Amino acid sequence: SQQGEEDPQALSIQEGENATMNCSYKTSINNLQWYRQNSGRGLVHLILIRSNEREKHSGRLRVTLDTSKKSSSLLITASRAADTASYFCLPWGGGNKLTFGTGTQLKVEL
Amino acid sequence: EAQVTQNPRYLITVTGKKLTVTCSQNMNHEYMSWYRQDPGLGLRQIYYSMNVEVTDKGDVPEGYKVSRKEKRNFPLILESPSPNQTSLYFCASSLPTSGGGRGQFFGPGTRLTVL
Repeated sequence: SQQGEEDPQALSIQEGENATMNCSYKTSINNLQWYRQNSGRGLVHLILIRSNEREKHSGRLRVTLDTSKKSSSLLITASRAADTASYFCLPWGGGNKLTFGTGTQLKVEL
Repeated sequence: EAQVTQNPRYLITVTGKKLTVTCSQNMNHEYMSWYRQDPGLGLRQIYYSMNVEVTDKGDVPEGYKVSRKEKRNFPLILESPSPNQTSLYFCASSLPTSGGGRGQFFGPGTRLTVL
């Protein structure tokens, strides 16, 4: 399995601003998934982007994937206090073992 | 409601006292998995199961056992817990396509403290 590396480790913004977090990985993938974790709770699947897709939207979320650079970004537009959470990427290249990274901790302040 | 449930949610125990954390899903998912989460280390996979009677080691299987006798249940067993197994544990399930190919549904977590 391969592990995604999220960057930055922590991000603090004001409500209404956009939040961008990045994920880098090392080997080719079939898809890449983003998850959100509110403090101490289980992860919630946000969005999946396939290797042949470059951009995907879901509500206020926009995910891009650049397979040539082996990187993905998650953009949250017009952030709200409720978006405060940790965000994890999961690059998947096949296989059954899954490895999450340490995530990006996003804090949205009022 | 589609969900993954775990019990107990909180547990304080002592070194060496065998314990089981249960996990159950109602989505008829083939793939199930256990993770532990520790500060600064992210989520690490302990064991996973592709289907009934098919289990395999994740990245940190030492000190843990699992079984998959029914599709819906995937208990995590600590036969002789030690303080370094104090952690937040998550169970997850998904449709097949090799497990990682679809989104994982996570349970609410079990916070375990071993004294």
